[in-house]
Amino acid sequence: AQKITQTQPGMFVQEKEAVTLDCTYDTSDQSYGLFWYKQPSSGEMIFLIYQGSYDEQNATEGRYSLNFQKARKSANLVISASQLGDSAMYFCAMSPWGGATNKLIFGTGTLLAVQP
Amino acid sequence: EAGVAQSPRYKIIEKRQSVAFWCNPISGHATLYWYQQILGQGPKLLIQFQNNGVVDDSQLPKDRFSAERLKGVDSTLKIQPAKLEDSAVYLCASSLGRGDEQFFGPGTRLTVL
Repeated sequence: AQKITQTQPGMFVQEKEAVTLDCTYDTSDQSYGLFWYKQPSSGEMIFLIYQGSYDEQNATEGRYSLNFQKARKSANLVISASQLGDSAMYFCAMSPWGGATNKLIFGTGTLLAVQP
Repeated sequence: EAGVAQSPRYKIIEKRQSVAFWCNPISGHATLYWYQQILGQGPKLLIQFQNNGVVDDSQLPKDRFSAERLKGVDSTLKIQPAKLEDSAVYLCASSLGRGDEQFFGPGTRLTVL
């Protein structure tokens, strides 16, 4: 069975500093996608970044980068130059490829608080 | 481009009552998902539609939950009768196709008293 583990319930970071949010995953599939979503207090899920299991380069999207270590089954999110607006819940998720469903399997999330 | 629309945004009911949620996906998106997010947890897929056919409903409590997507566009999710443990945010998402990025709606927050 596929599983996502986020071990940090909450994190604090000073504005303008970088922060790493941890994510490990468990799957027997060879092909899968890894995602990070941001959920502000308003409730919507905002897509941040995607990494395919066969991608050799780490994904980057603006201030977001995904530190993908396939052998360790980890997909940590790095946010550089944190901003006050980054305060939110962050979810790591994975999706299998090739099967009937591409449902997202989410972790329990990490609540990030950016301090001025 | 308009995003995924959901209504209502909030609903409070008593246990054993019925409730229905509506979702209108992004125009042209063939795949539609309903997720349940209980407080303190990540979303969990309830049902996935490809056009108007069900792809995955393995985690849908079929004794009380039902969903339909008539004409392959908008969708409704119904709970009948509701239980206390159904209190959650119900998120609808859509994607162009099965392997494409999922876009989420604002969610419906259900409180069952």
